[in-house]
Amino acid sequence: QQQVKQSPQSLIVQKGGISIINCAYENTAFDYFPWYQQFPGKGPALLIAIRPDVSEKKEGRFTISFNKSAKQFSLHIMDSQPGDSATYFCAAKSGSARQLTFGSGTQLTVLP
Amino acid sequence: ETGVTQSPTHLIKTRGQQVTLRCSSQSGHNTVSWYQQALGQGPQFIFQYYREEENGRGNFPPRFSGLQFPNYSSELNVNALELDDSALYLCASSLGQLNTEAFFGQGTRLTVV
Repeated sequence: QQQVKQSPQSLIVQKGGISIINCAYENTAFDYFPWYQQFPGKGPALLIAIRPDVSEKKEGRFTISFNKSAKQFSLHIMDSQPGDSATYFCAAKSGSARQLTFGSGTQLTVLP
Repeated sequence: ETGVTQSPTHLIKTRGQQVTLRCSSQSGHNTVSWYQQALGQGPQFIFQYYREEENGRGNFPPRFSGLQFPNYSSELNVNALELDDSALYLCASSLGQLNTEAFFGQGTRLTVV
């Protein structure tokens, strides 16, 4: 019930392309869905987050799409750049929980 | 405003030994959570400290323990180290025990040999 399933495991995109990473969850108590970006040797950094009362949130080139009925959410990176090459994690949290539940990560490579 | 800092950055220990990892929370943040990130995996919640008390725990054995100090800094202690304890240990700070926005440190890479 606490799992968050993330796909794909790895993704290669050409510079300027769109990167799409998907996550699915089971626990309907989750009400906060952040995405984290992690570079090698660094801790995860909060990129963008959404709550289930909206279906989409955009910040610059990053957009979260949220489908409450399907219990899925996705990260779209528009105009992907080589500097976006990193591991991306989706996560989820319920209001009463102390912890974030993370997906298994997607290693994104943007080719120049 | 300072971010979350962890020390040491890297550590090598022998199986059976004990280790202490340290975390200084972001300025103004009173809650610290610890996560274990195995290679190629997402972070797994170990426990959270709020007002110097353990305030929630994940599926980790009692040999994983911690402390939080009055200045909100925190320690993670692991006794009787096992090879599978080799991982990146992450500290995250937030304002309030249920606050959603958590800020992570750079982590401590622990290798158990």
